[in-house]
Amino acid sequence: KQEVTQIPAALSVPEGENLVLNCSFTDSAIYNLQWFRQDPGKGLTSLLLIQSSQREQTSGRLNASLDKSSGRSTLYIAASQPGDSATYLCAVDNYGQNFVFGPGTRLSVLP
Amino acid sequence: NAGVTQTPKFQVLKTGQSMTLQCAQDMNHNSMYWYRQDPGMGLRLIYYSASEGTTDKGEVPNGYNVSRLNKREFSLRLESAAPSQTSVYFCASSEARRRDSPLHFGNGTRLTVT
Repeated sequence: KQEVTQIPAALSVPEGENLVLNCSFTDSAIYNLQWFRQDPGKGLTSLLLIQSSQREQTSGRLNASLDKSSGRSTLYIAASQPGDSATYLCAVDNYGQNFVFGPGTRLSVLP
Repeated sequence: NAGVTQTPKFQVLKTGQSMTLQCAQDMNHNSMYWYRQDPGMGLRLIYYSASEGTTDKGEVPNGYNVSRLNKREFSLRLESAAPSQTSVYFCASSEARRRDSPLHFGNGTRLTVT
């Protein structure tokens, strides 16, 4: 059974810092891995998707990497801003049957 | 530009009452999903529909039923609500046969069962 964990559970940083969020999964047989952002009381918004054959994806200040063999992904946020404050979740796609989510990392960026 | 639309946004039920959560997507996706999100438990899959006409159980299906009405709509029914079903419910969709298809979420239904 696929299990996804995220470290740290919560993170508080001053504005402008670069930061890394971690995601680990137990079964490397995945279609893709996605990173999501969730604001309080809202749904999830897809940030980046890395296909199983890819190593990384970039969007603006966000960069996500994938190492399938070790079961790890990282989300790098450059020059953090208060507007980045949210919960970040990763999810793995088990060959289209379902998505398994991690518990999330709650990020606070202080002005 | 609606994406995934869920109704209602909020609902309060008494134990034993029934209700149906509605979900519709306008992206022509084949696959649709129902998740529940609870503090400390993360998002857990209740049911999914890989394509029109098919439904399958997820991790926590007990107490729920689903209907894939057509390609656009996927509803979740609680036949006899219990306090343990107090949660936030999310519907999502994707084109699951494409490896580059992200998962799109609705804004959720916050359900309280008293």
